[in-house]
Amino acid sequence: SQTIHQWPATLVQPVGSPLSLECTVEGTSNPNLYWYRQAAGRGLQLLFYSVGIGQISSEVPQNLSASRPQDRQFILSSKKLLLSDSGFYLCAWSVHGASGYTFGSGTRLTVV
Amino acid sequence: AQSVTQLDSQVPVFEEAPVELRCNYSSSVSVYLFWYVQYPNQGLQLLLKYLSGSTLVKGINGFEAEFNKSQTSFHLRKPSVHISDTAEYFCAVSTYNTNAGKSTFGDGTTLTVKP
Repeated sequence: SQTIHQWPATLVQPVGSPLSLECTVEGTSNPNLYWYRQAAGRGLQLLFYSVGIGQISSEVPQNLSASRPQDRQFILSSKKLLLSDSGFYLCAWSVHGASGYTFGSGTRLTVV
Repeated sequence: AQSVTQLDSQVPVFEEAPVELRCNYSSSVSVYLFWYVQYPNQGLQLLLKYLSGSTLVKGINGFEAEFNKSQTSFHLRKPSVHISDTAEYFCAVSTYNTNAGKSTFGDGTTLTVKP
């Protein structure tokens, strides 16, 4: 069966520090991968998506970047965190538009 | 491009009462429609989806939704809610030719079930 792992679950980081969030998928190959951010009490904002190794598309310009070094690994990074980077980060995967998404359990990031 | 509007940001309801969470969408092409549920501090879980065929779709946890093409709506219903249904609910849409299978999400509806 397919599973998605996302870690860490919570993270408290000082302003200006680097960030690395990792997401891995098991049980499928060549998935579409996504990073979303959810601000408190708000909807989901698509940050990045990837259709294959090394292929990253950015939806909004920001302080973050993403990479896909392996088929089932998706990494969200920042060189210097801002207060505004705080939020709930969700990784997800899909096969195609009709399959819907499978989400990871999320990372609660607080930048202090 | 497509868009999703969830008409109610918060829906309070008493336990064992029926509930309807409303979702309208906009798209110039045919769509796939989804409802997801999010419990506090967790990821989203797929409740149900409409791809084609019968306009009434049944999902997990006793939820169902009806696709209405003329009204461009996909409302979620449950005949009798439980305290455990308290959560955030998201409606989403994707299209047949969506690049990378991306979905567009509504802003969510908070369902609060009171005893």
